Amino acid sequence: QVQLQESGPGLVKPSETLSLTCTVSGGSGLSDSYYWNWIRQSPGKGLEWIGYLFYGGSTNYNYSLKSRVTISGDTSKNEFSLRLNSVTAADTAVYYCARTNNDALDIWGQGTMVSVST
Amino acid sequence: QSALTQPASVSGSPGQSITISCTGTSSDVGDNNLVSWYQQHPGKAPKLMIYGVYKRPSGISNRFSGSKSGNTASLTISGLQDEDEADYYCYSYAGSFSWVFGGGTKVTVL
Repeated sequence: QVQLQESGPGLVKPSETLSLTCTVSGGSGLSDSYYWNWIRQSPGKGLEWIGYLFYGGSTNYNYSLKSRVTISGDTSKNEFSLRLNSVTAADTAVYYCARTNNDALDIWGQGTMVSVST
Repeated sequence: QSALTQPASVSGSPGQSITISCTGTSSDVGDNNLVSWYQQHPGKAPKLMIYGVYKRPSGISNRFSGSKSGNTASLTISGLQDEDEADYYCYSYAGSFSWVFGGGTKVTVL
């Protein structure tokens, strides 16, 4: 069965770039024709869709983050990644990766906490 | 796109039924049948409970049901149980290849 696992630094300095990776295990990995998403949740707050990567390489992003976000994939490693530039304290959150299947987020990673602080 | 509107909290006694609303606009909830619902316990990742407005994934109890009318989708939990106490989020396609969550609803079992 497919599993997702986020990884990356837990602390990023303000104005720097947040970089996270989601490893897809099981199934056909990243090669399957699914959408692969990043979602975040600020402490005590709700969920926010960041964007997705389609297995063919196309991407779409939340309009509010579009100028700072890049999502990319490496099918050889069954990984997809998130880069968020020019971070501030407002980007402190738990970051989840998730798969879209039947137009819903059916499989989620466990999440990884990222704090933006000096 | 703005977050979909959900009540901050809903409560009920064990065995009762509760309904959580999710109100959007004619550009998101009202424009498609791509609404899904997620349950999140503290410190855990969200879990898919309903997709395509009313469909249940394998393994999800039939106590959970979904519906939609106009710009408002709803999640009903019947026969409320202690384990249902959690946060619930709706999620909808919002057009132009973008997606949006609701603000979340805390369900309390009294």
